[in-house]
Amino acid sequence: DAKTTQPDSMESTEGETVHLPCSHATISGNEYIYWYRQVPLQGPEYVTHGLQQNTTNSMAFLAIASDRKSSTLILPHVSLRDAAVYHCILRANTGYQNFYFGKGTSLTVIP
Amino acid sequence: GPKVLQIPSHQIIDMGQMVTLNCDPVSNHLYFYWYKQILGQQMEFLVNFYNGKVMEKSKLFKDQFSVERPDGSYFTLKIQPTALEDSAVYFCASSWNWGYEQYFGPGTRLTVL
Repeated sequence: DAKTTQPDSMESTEGETVHLPCSHATISGNEYIYWYRQVPLQGPEYVTHGLQQNTTNSMAFLAIASDRKSSTLILPHVSLRDAAVYHCILRANTGYQNFYFGKGTSLTVIP
Repeated sequence: GPKVLQIPSHQIIDMGQMVTLNCDPVSNHLYFYWYKQILGQQMEFLVNFYNGKVMEKSKLFKDQFSVERPDGSYFTLKIQPTALEDSAVYFCASSWNWGYEQYFGPGTRLTVL
């Protein structure tokens, strides 16, 4: 069963800031929110993750709602290299903590 | 960043033959994973592996599948015998611990004829 909901596709223009939403209304207290992205013919690439607080790294900013039922991955100044399928995944911090991928959001970047 | 390598990138075999997919994980990682992705579909977890043992496997990890990492060399996925429905891209991943991010290889595209 899918535990996250993401739009199937989004489109942006180079240089813009993109907001990729993810809904996880039934998230448990011990579940982290992970984001991976995948381009065709390559394996998924780790983007970022968080638990409660917003996080930032060189790739993206992750904004987590105060009730943790939704999150938004923010990509500043996107380039053509950012075109990919972005996966929002919940991962418990107990057990073997496998990743269960959904269909993700396919981000198209227009030059 | 850390790199996971997979060999070969593409393998074509006849149904019923045996195939071994090789994964060279990140050097200090101890936890290993295989995933399967059929073209156009989402990636599916197959199995994880630690300290020489399968810790957890999914329903997709059929009896014909096996994994091992002899003497710290490649982490391998063996399918014997292969079936048509095994055609897919197989991704290997590794992590330092269960709770850490996984790093994925570029995948091996397996075509079973």
